Amino acid sequence: QVQLQESGPRLVKPSETLSLTCTVSGGSVSSSSFHWNWIRQPPGKGLEWIGNIFYTGSTNYNPSLKGRVTISVDTSKKQFSLKLTSVTAADTAVYYCARGGYSYGHYWYFDLWGRGTLVTVS
Amino acid sequence: DIQMTQFPSSLSASVGDRVTITCRASQSISTFLNWYQQKPGKAPNLLIYAATSLQSGVPSRFSGSGSGTDFTLTITSLQPEDFATYSCQQSYSTSYSFGQGTKLEIK
Repeated sequence: QVQLQESGPRLVKPSETLSLTCTVSGGSVSSSSFHWNWIRQPPGKGLEWIGNIFYTGSTNYNPSLKGRVTISVDTSKKQFSLKLTSVTAADTAVYYCARGGYSYGHYWYFDLWGRGTLVTVS
Repeated sequence: DIQMTQFPSSLSASVGDRVTITCRASQSISTFLNWYQQKPGKAPNLLIYAATSLQSGVPSRFSGSGSGTDFTLTITSLQPEDFATYSCQQSYSTSYSFGQGTKLEIK
């Protein structure tokens, strides 16, 4: 079955760039039926959507992070990636990659998640 | 941006109880509303999509209702495995957003 796995450095210094990759196994990122998302959760807090990408390369970002976020996709490697620049302690969080699926033509939701990876900015 | 507000932020209940969690959107989102369950140290799990549709494999004791700005998640006959945090999420806007979560604890 399809699985998602996050990878990347667990510790990032303030002002540097956080980089994570999500590898999709058992499936493909090259489908118009899905989009590929990054979501984060600071310790003890709620979930925050960061952004997403379609296999075409089209992206949407959370306005609160826009300017610092870039999401890209590599269909040949079945991966999509997150870069977050100029990080501070407020960016410390568990970062999840998640697949967006839809029903009834346009009701989107997150139906498959990676296990998450804690990234600490310090 | 669409703000999602959940209440209560925490709730205590007993096995067998019926509980209701509310989610309110800052503007009308039709039925573009999803619910997730999250257990400590785990990723969220989709329960309900499009406000009322039960995700495959989710027990029928979970149900969702609402449209516009006000939505509810109801769990009938609470089971021990249902004690978790529940979050709503809107997909009306291409900038998705979540509620802050409701922690359901054992009384």
